[in-house]
Amino acid sequence: AQSVTQPDIHITVSEGASLELRCNYSYGATPYLFWYVQSPGQGLQLLLKYFSGDTLVQGIKGFEAEFKRSQSSFNLRKPSVHWSDAAEYFCAVEGDTGRRALTFGSGTRLQVQP
Amino acid sequence: DTAVSQTPKYLVTQMGNDKSIKCEQNLGHDTMYWYKQDSKKFLKIMFSYNNKELIINETVPNRFSPKSPDKAHLNLHINSLELGDSAVYFCASSQGVGWGGEGHIQYFGAGTRLSVL
Repeated sequence: AQSVTQPDIHITVSEGASLELRCNYSYGATPYLFWYVQSPGQGLQLLLKYFSGDTLVQGIKGFEAEFKRSQSSFNLRKPSVHWSDAAEYFCAVEGDTGRRALTFGSGTRLQVQP
Repeated sequence: DTAVSQTPKYLVTQMGNDKSIKCEQNLGHDTMYWYKQDSKKFLKIMFSYNNKELIINETVPNRFSPKSPDKAHLNLHINSLELGDSAVYFCASSQGVGWGGEGHIQYFGAGTRLSVL
């Protein structure tokens, strides 16, 4: 069965600093990979996705992620964090053929210091 | 115009009651889902419907019964509510089969926070 690991439960960065959130997945083939963001009291908004092709994908709000097959990773990055980026970030995978359901990581809470 | 809408946003009820959460999507999608987010923010699939047909039913107590009157709606009915049912329930939808990679993107509602007292 597929699984997703987000090793960092909580990360604090200063505004303007760069950010990298880690995500590792377990799946036999190349899954569909997603990053979602959840602001307090809100639903989940898709930041970016990877299906195939170019392993560096661009998303909304200046985020990007890189798929590394050899490391089974899909880390999320942003060069300069804004205070409004403070939220919970979820990595998710859909892999099992025909089983259209996302398996989520446990989330990383991002705090941004002024 | 909200793409995936859930009602109510908040639901506070007593143990033993029966309650329903409604979900509607205006995206023309074929597949709809219910996810549960527990107090530790962990998200897990509960049910998935494709064109009104149940395709995923995780190990959810049978007190939970989804109903899809048409492909734009997927409601969740919960009988005999228990304290452990307190959570945030998210509805989502995706285009479904035959749309390539884009068909796998799931769009989420704002969630329903259920509190069982």
